[in-house]
Amino acid sequence: GENVEQHPSTLSVQEGDSAVIKCTYSDSASNYFPWYKQELGKGPQLIIDIRSNVGEKKDQRIAVTLNKTAKHFSLHITETQPEDSAVYFCAASEGFKTIFGAGTRLFVKA
Amino acid sequence: DAGVIQSPRHEVTEMGQEVTLRCKPISGHNSLFWYRQTMMRGLELLIYFNNNVPIDDSGMPEDRFSAKMPNASFSTLKIQPSEPRDSAVYFCASSRVEDTIYFGEGSWLTVV
Repeated sequence: GENVEQHPSTLSVQEGDSAVIKCTYSDSASNYFPWYKQELGKGPQLIIDIRSNVGEKKDQRIAVTLNKTAKHFSLHITETQPEDSAVYFCAASEGFKTIFGAGTRLFVKA
Repeated sequence: DAGVIQSPRHEVTEMGQEVTLRCKPISGHNSLFWYRQTMMRGLELLIYFNNNVPIDDSGMPEDRFSAKMPNASFSTLKIQPSEPRDSAVYFCASSRVEDTIYFGEGSWLTVV
């Protein structure tokens, strides 16, 4: 079955710096890669997603890249702000099966 | 539009008691998921329904767990009898088939 590995588990950056979170997946049939942000006491919320026919997607300060050959995908957050502090999850989907990474706890220091 | 609605938000119960968690998916979504989140195991898929029919329950930990979806707007996850190791956050989520999954705010369960 699908396995998603996510790194790093914890990331601390200074406000204004960039943050990068990386994920790898094992099942080449996976074709949809969402990223979720989870704030304390809340459910995960979708922040950006990418499908397998696209290499890169950007939405304001966040961007996602996908390398299908290497089975890697990454989340990039630029000009980080304190409100970006949260746990971020990557996921890989094929059909109804969505497998989540273990999460990255991002701290943005003011 | 209202998102996925879960109840109760918090539950503390004694070991051996029955626990019922409830979920109302987003209207128009025909896929419903129950996930469990713990520090040790992260987000685990417990069961997936499509058009009210359970499609994959391979993630249900054991027979003490059961889930139902009697109609398109309601689902329950039941634990009977509950054990301390069931303490976790249980998320319900819904989607259109093979589309983005939207999560509820979760039910925080503590079994003492």
